[in-house]
Amino acid sequence: AAGVIQSPRHLIKEKRETATLKCYPIPRHDTVYWYQQGPGQDPQFLISFYEKMQSDKGSIPDRFSAQQFSDYHSELNMSSLELGDSALYFCAIAVSGANVLTFGAGSRLTVL
Amino acid sequence: AQSVAQPEDQVNVAEGNPLTVKCTYSVSGNPYLFWYVQYPNRGLQFLLKYITGDNLVKGSYGFEAEFNKSQTSFHLKKPSALVSDSALYFCAVRDDYKLSFGAGTTVTVRA
Repeated sequence: AAGVIQSPRHLIKEKRETATLKCYPIPRHDTVYWYQQGPGQDPQFLISFYEKMQSDKGSIPDRFSAQQFSDYHSELNMSSLELGDSALYFCAIAVSGANVLTFGAGSRLTVL
Repeated sequence: AQSVAQPEDQVNVAEGNPLTVKCTYSVSGNPYLFWYVQYPNRGLQFLLKYITGDNLVKGSYGFEAEFNKSQTSFHLKKPSALVSDSALYFCAVRDDYKLSFGAGTTVTVRA
């Protein structure tokens, strides 16, 4: 079955530092989505990619950037981290023909 | 934009009793509706979806949901709740090719 591996599972950073989260669709998948879930919040869409091109953009801060690589894994880069960036970050893929997003276990970022 | 609302922050039921988690939607056109469950410190797990067809949709773990067009609702139901059903439940709607989630409902099933 299709799935998503995310790394790292936990990450602790200081304010103003940089963090990179990684997402590996299994098997390779042409579309990937990134979501941010703050404490006690619902997941908020950040950005998506189709065939390595940005396909949609949500409430992603300018300090964040993302890309999908030639092997279809994706990375979310976050710079000048703020306390409010502390959240669970999910990567998801759309299971072809099923209209269903399959989510990874998430990466928990804590900014101190 | 498409959106869903979950009017209840929390639902508490006794084990063995019926469980209902409410969701209403606001969409233009035909809605694609979903329910996901999230256990503590875990990812979002797909439960069921409504795309078209029968208004009663059956999903994983004994859950089902009823699509009601006149009431613009998509309530999640389980006839007999288990303690292990205690989790955070999200209703979601397809918005272009992404999902937009409701605020979530925390379900607590007491033994």
